[in-house]
Amino acid sequence: DGGITQSPKYLFRKEGQNVTLSCEQNLNHDAMYWYRQDPGQGLRLIYYSQIVNDFQKGDIAEGYSVSREKKESFPLTVTSAQKNPTAFYLCATWTSGSTDTQYFGPGTRLTVL
Amino acid sequence: GEDVEQSLFLSVREGDSSVINCTYTDSSSTYLYWYKQEPGAGLQLLTYIFSNMDMKQDQRLTVLLNKKDKHLSLRIADTQTGDSAIYFCAERGYGQNFVFGPGTRLSVLP
Repeated sequence: DGGITQSPKYLFRKEGQNVTLSCEQNLNHDAMYWYRQDPGQGLRLIYYSQIVNDFQKGDIAEGYSVSREKKESFPLTVTSAQKNPTAFYLCATWTSGSTDTQYFGPGTRLTVL
Repeated sequence: GEDVEQSLFLSVREGDSSVINCTYTDSSSTYLYWYKQEPGAGLQLLTYIFSNMDMKQDQRLTVLLNKKDKHLSLRIADTQTGDSAIYFCAERGYGQNFVFGPGTRLSVLP
């Protein structure tokens, strides 16, 4: 069963704590992305990775970190430096081909208490 | 920089057609997309259009592209309550980055 999994679906964090969101894919796609979604603002790019061991900052990378040690995995760490981390986080993958589109995971909702 | 605009809300009666509009700024866009997001879920690709096309039809969905005005629209025929969701317009220029609009929340009234 191919696809993108994100875990957990809901995550609660106390202020000052780091937390890591998981994203795993078995689609064999090279590129992976992390987006943040806030109501009425659409999706904003946090980080993306085109190949293993390489990643680039997106528009709102401050307070976040990522790693890409394996093609299948692209975890996102929300650090205590992120001032307003409560949001819905979406992971996506991309591959060139007939549709040339992104595929999205089900998302993780992070709430800071 | 690149920008994608959409109206935030649309309400229609069940059985009517819905038209969701989008404007974009990047003239080098190669692909334009429509995604659907249901509450608490990820984005689901509905349809896409290549920039050298004017129109694409897929069952109840019709996409129109006016490249001169950088205007994209999505028409949903015979709108049903199950079509209630947020619809995102997105563009991809050269490279692997995508730019998304803010999303249009479609409400279908019985």
